[in-house]
Amino acid sequence: NAGVTQTPKFQVLKTGQSMTLQCAQDMNHEYMSWYRQDPGMGLRLIHYSVGAGITDQGEVPNGYNVSRSTTEDFPLRLLSAAPSQTSVYFCASTQAGNYDNEQFFGPGTRLTVL
Amino acid sequence: RKEVEQDPGPFNVPEGATVAFNCTYSNSASQSFFWYRQDCRKEPKLLMSVYSSGNEDGRFTAQLNRASQYISLLIRDSKLSDSATYLCVVNKAGGYQKVTFGTGTKLQVIP
Repeated sequence: NAGVTQTPKFQVLKTGQSMTLQCAQDMNHEYMSWYRQDPGMGLRLIHYSVGAGITDQGEVPNGYNVSRSTTEDFPLRLLSAAPSQTSVYFCASTQAGNYDNEQFFGPGTRLTVL
Repeated sequence: RKEVEQDPGPFNVPEGATVAFNCTYSNSASQSFFWYRQDCRKEPKLLMSVYSSGNEDGRFTAQLNRASQYISLLIRDSKLSDSATYLCVVNKAGGYQKVTFGTGTKLQVIP
């Protein structure tokens, strides 16, 4: 099993550009989520999904969209990139049934917005 | 007050030393607690869950003190490979969005 994979690993954008961060998992996990990690701050939840076709907002959803058309994939879209979105983005997945289950993280995407 | 607070460190300890970190949480309704480990420029990985009765996994011991609202992580006989940032994670009841990550405590084990 590859676990949770994310692409790209690194990305530089100009202000106003849009892009999609890809996330896929092969563990058949129902729950998936996107976090951003900034210096001096804990991981903050952007959006999450409890199953295909179901998404909801986390703590910092503004400027981001998600969709979940399959169990495996959970892409994150930046609509119009801003310098404040410079961060490291992690995708995670968890087995359904218990929010206390271990979260498995992807390797992260390091995004810089100029 | 932050929901979850950790001393950012760094804690610089010699190999073989014992080191302990605390993490305080503000919401008394918090129900489950975890320690994750994050190596430099890598993703977080679960180190251990923290149970009410405390739990041990090899050189690592985790404790929960509900009265004072903190959890602790004790590492005995520190190894160079223990150098990492340790994230405290607290889950309030009620859903996925109730998980809160601390900012982490950095540990550097020195030869």
